[in-house]
Amino acid sequence: EDQVTQSPEALRLQEGESSSLNCSYTVSGLRGLFWYRQDPGKGPEFLFTLYSAGEEKEKERLKATLTKKESFLHITAPKPEDSATYLCAVQGGSQGNLIFGKGTKLSVKP
Amino acid sequence: DTEVTQTPKHLVMGMTNKKSLKCEQHMGHRAMYWYKQKAKKPPELMFVYSYEKLSINESVPSRFSPECPNSSLLNLHLHALQPEDSALYLCASSQGRQLPNTQYFGPGTRLTVL
Repeated sequence: EDQVTQSPEALRLQEGESSSLNCSYTVSGLRGLFWYRQDPGKGPEFLFTLYSAGEEKEKERLKATLTKKESFLHITAPKPEDSATYLCAVQGGSQGNLIFGKGTKLSVKP
Repeated sequence: DTEVTQTPKHLVMGMTNKKSLKCEQHMGHRAMYWYKQKAKKPPELMFVYSYEKLSINESVPSRFSPECPNSSLLNLHLHALQPEDSALYLCASSQGRQLPNTQYFGPGTRLTVL
């Protein structure tokens, strides 16, 4: 069965304290792995698509990496405005439907 | 432009009401989706329209009825809902069949059923 597990469930950081979020997955025929940011009461905001092991993508303070079993979202010198829930999702097989993890809630204190 | 719009932003309805949620995208995408999201949970897929063909999540009750008037518009018709249907309803769109394809989400409609 296709599955996505995110850890930790919640992460509290001080402003400037770098850290990483983990997304481990099992899927038949990975087509893509996606990271989204979601603020309370709003729709998920697309961050990155990763296609193959070894791939890396960056956007401002965020960097996403992919291996054959997991993905990491590295946050460098976070700011309070980075506080949000970060969702990981995988797309596999032929259907194209997304399988989401439960998310990591990130809080960055000034 | 990767914008998906949804109306209304908030909706309060009684269990006997009939209402509709609307979604629109102008990115030329050929696949559109409805998701339901409860608090502190990830989005759950309800319906997919791909090239105007509907795919249904068998667990979705018949009180939810999707409609895709054209490739840019997606509606979700609501009838005889239950209080447990209160949630954030999200619309998303993606390019279409070729994988991988990135889904872009709208801001959501917050639905409260009294």
